Amino acid sequence: AQKVTQAQTEISVVEKEDVTLDCVYETRDTTYYLFWYKQPPSGELVFLIRRNSFDEQNEISGRYSWNFQKSTSSFNFTITASQVVDSAVYFCALSEAQYGNNRLAFGKGNQVVVIP
Amino acid sequence: DAMVIQNPRYQVTQFGKPVTLSCSQTLNHNVMYWYQQKSSQAPKLLFHYYDKDFNNEADTPDNFQSRRPNTSFCFLDIRSPGLGDAAMYLCATRRAGGTDTQYFGPGTRLTVL
Repeated sequence: AQKVTQAQTEISVVEKEDVTLDCVYETRDTTYYLFWYKQPPSGELVFLIRRNSFDEQNEISGRYSWNFQKSTSSFNFTITASQVVDSAVYFCALSEAQYGNNRLAFGKGNQVVVIP
Repeated sequence: DAMVIQNPRYQVTQFGKPVTLSCSQTLNHNVMYWYQQKSSQAPKLLFHYYDKDFNNEADTPDNFQSRRPNTSFCFLDIRSPGLGDAAMYLCATRRAGGTDTQYFGPGTRLTVL
């Protein structure tokens, strides 16, 4: 069973529009961590945010914001006023304490295309 | 700046010819990982080192080996590359007991002819 689901495969938006990427996870652990990574065309996975299971506080960093809701097992990511540089694949990932936090279960990724 | 470095960024090899990919880190992290990422797929964990302890994923082919001679360096050896091994190979590091975040290098894109 897939532990991290990112349903939208490719999302196209016009520059300056907002885009929200959905991430739904599944775990039986009470202690776990959720991550978002950005992968631009160059290939490097760039860390964006980490959230532990005990911290449901939402976060804003510039044009990026994250909404973590344990009740729905979701950790959604919004890019406000998108720019062409936001074009990339975005991965949501889960690490669980039962594996010593040594495994990142990735979703399939969201390909975001920002059209100028 | 502290970072994860992978060399080379692009590697071309021939079918069956052994190849070694390199990863180094200046973060002094005790855990290092190797992932394989094929086109339009998520990264797949091959193995990781926790200090000197090697941990292989159950479905990692025997064709893939790894060495970690010291804290800073980790190598991925592909003994007999097949066409199906063409992929992006990503190295990552983590400080166990810290934020538990894995930090990735830029990757090596392997082409097998």
